Amino acid sequence: AQSVTQLGSHVSVSEGALVLLRCNYSSSVPPYLFWYVQYPNQGLQLLLKYTTGATLVKGINGFEAEFKKSETSFHLTKPSAHMSDAAEYFCAVTLYTDKLIFGTGTRLQVFP
Amino acid sequence: SQTIHQWPATLVQPVGSPLSLECTVEGTSNPNLYWYRQAAGRGLQLLFYSVGIGQISSEVPQNLSASRPQDRQFILSSKKLLLSDSGFYLCAWSGGPAGETEAFFGQGTRLTVV
Repeated sequence: AQSVTQLGSHVSVSEGALVLLRCNYSSSVPPYLFWYVQYPNQGLQLLLKYTTGATLVKGINGFEAEFKKSETSFHLTKPSAHMSDAAEYFCAVTLYTDKLIFGTGTRLQVFP
Repeated sequence: SQTIHQWPATLVQPVGSPLSLECTVEGTSNPNLYWYRQAAGRGLQLLFYSVGIGQISSEVPQNLSASRPQDRQFILSSKKLLLSDSGFYLCAWSGGPAGETEAFFGQGTRLTVV
C-alpha cells in the first residue's frame, strides 16, 4: 500500500531564507505525488503535482518539488521564504486516481 | 467549472447526539469522493472514500459512517457522537470524466462535541 512520510512536523525559517520541506513516499510503482497548503481553518489548496514527465515540477507561489525515484522523495522547496508562506503543508500520494493518502503535515513558520 | 460545497462550517453537538454532514459536487460526474478528519497535530486521516453510488470504503473503524445516495453527494453520519469525534472534517473529490488526478477540497466543518 502507498504511504507518505513527512520529516519534521515544524519547520522555522527566516524571511528570505530557503524553504525545504521533506517528503518520502512508499509505493511499489511510481505514484502520483502532490503538495498541498492549508491556511488556518480552511480547506487544502494544491501547490503542485507530479504525474509523469519532467521530474522537476513548478507550482504556485514560487514553490517547486523534484521527484527522485532513486530516493523515493518529493521534497518541496522555495528559494526565498515570505511571511505569507506561513501555513501547514501536506504531501500526498495516489496510485492512478485511487484513494489519496496524506502525510501528517509540516507547519512552516516564517520569522521576520 | 467544478465546485464543492460542504456544510455546515461549524457545529457544536452534545455527546450522544446524531451527526449528519453533507458534501455536494457540481460540474463533474462520477467523481471519487473522500471524507477526511483533521485532529489537532495529527494531519489528515482518510475516513471514507467512494468511487461510485453506494460504494463506500472505510479506512478506519470508528463511530462514523458514510453514504453516497447520489453521484455527487457524500454524507458523513453518526448515530451517537463521542468526545473523540471532535475535529475538522474535510470533504474532497477527484477524478471524474477529465481524470483530474488531484483532489479538490471543501472549506471544512469544525465539529466540537461537548
